Parts: sequence; structure tokens; C-alpha cells
Amino acid sequence: AQSVTQLGSHVSVSEGALVLLRCNYSSSVPPYLFWYVQYPNQGLQLLLKYTSAATLVKGINGFEAEFKKSETSFHLTKPSAHMSDAAEYFCAVSELWNQGGKLIFGQGTELSVKP
Amino acid sequence: DAGVIQSPRHEVTEMGQEVTLRCKPISGHDYLFWYRQTMMRGLELLIYFNNNVPIDDSGMPEDRFSAKMPNASFSTLKIQPSEPRDSAVYFCASSLAGAPSNEQFFGPGTRLTVL
Repeated sequence: AQSVTQLGSHVSVSEGALVLLRCNYSSSVPPYLFWYVQYPNQGLQLLLKYTSAATLVKGINGFEAEFKKSETSFHLTKPSAHMSDAAEYFCAVSELWNQGGKLIFGQGTELSVKP
Repeated sequence: DAGVIQSPRHEVTEMGQEVTLRCKPISGHDYLFWYRQTMMRGLELLIYFNNNVPIDDSGMPEDRFSAKMPNASFSTLKIQPSEPRDSAVYFCASSLAGAPSNEQFFGPGTRLTVL
């Protein structure tokens, strides 16, 4: 069975600092991997996705993530945090393609950005 | 496209009352998912449909919860009778089978408060 672990339920950075949100997955088949962002009182919005093409994936708002098979990781980074990045971030892995995209979500990491 | 539409956005009801949450998926999508989000349990998949047929309802917490999808453009999640512990944000999401990444598109959610 597939699973996702997000290390750290809360991460706090200063504005302008590097953002690093950690995600490790387990999967018996090549996975599809996703990062979603949830701003307060809103639904989840796709940040970026890995679909077995390039291992370094660029998303919206300056975020990127690197798929590392050897480490079973898909960490999310942004070189310079902005106040507007404060939100909750979810990593997810997709099960077998023929199951229609059922996603397994991590527990989420809340990102705080200090001025 | 208008995206996934959910109604109502907020619902306040009293314990014992019936609650019906509604969802309109993105046109052409053939998978529909219902999630519940709480502080304690995070994001939980309740049930999902493929071509209007329920595929996996193992996440439905108990018999008080039921979901239907009478056609490709409409789904309901019903709670009868409602209890205070059902208070949560309920999300609907849809996706397209065969899409390369199985990306899910989320609605804005319904915030349910049961008094």
C-alpha cells in the first residue's frame, strides 16, 4: 500500500529565507506525486506534480520539488519565502493509474512566515 | 470552466437534523471524491465514485453518512441524524480517468457546524 509522511506538522521561516517542506512516500509502483496548498478558509490548490518526466518539477509561486527515487522523497522548496506563502501544504501520492487517481495525502505541514 | 462547485459554503444545524451537502464536478470528469477535514484527523477520504458508481466507501464513518451520484454532474453527501462530532469542512474533488497525472481538482468546501 502507498503512504505519505510529511516531516514536521509546523514549519516557521523568516521572510526571504529558504522554505523546505519534507515529504517521503512509499509505493510499490512508480508513483505520481503532488504538492497541494491550502490557504485559510479555502480548498486545496495544486502547486506542482511529478508524473515520471523531469525529476525536478517547477510549480506555481516559485515553488519546486525534486523527486529522488533512492530516498523515496519529494521535498518542496522555495528559495525565498514571502508572507503570502503562509498556508498549509499537503503532499500526496497517487495509487495505480487505473484506480482513477485516488490520492493518499500526508498529514499536512503548516508554514508560517515571520516578517 | 467554473471548477468544482459546492453548496452551501457554510451550514449550521442542530444535533439530530438532516444535513445535505452538494457538489457539481468539473464537466467531463468521471471521478468524484468526498473528503472531510478536521484538526484532529486531517484530510480523510470518505467515498469516491467512478461514472456515478460508488467505488470505495470504506472511509464513510458510519451509517449516518450516505452519498449519491444520480448523474455525472451532481453528487450529494447526506448526514442523518447529524451530531456535533460531524462538524468539519467537507470537500468535493473531481478528476479525469486516463489523465496522465490523476490530478484532482478541489471545490472550496462546505464548513459544517453541528450544535
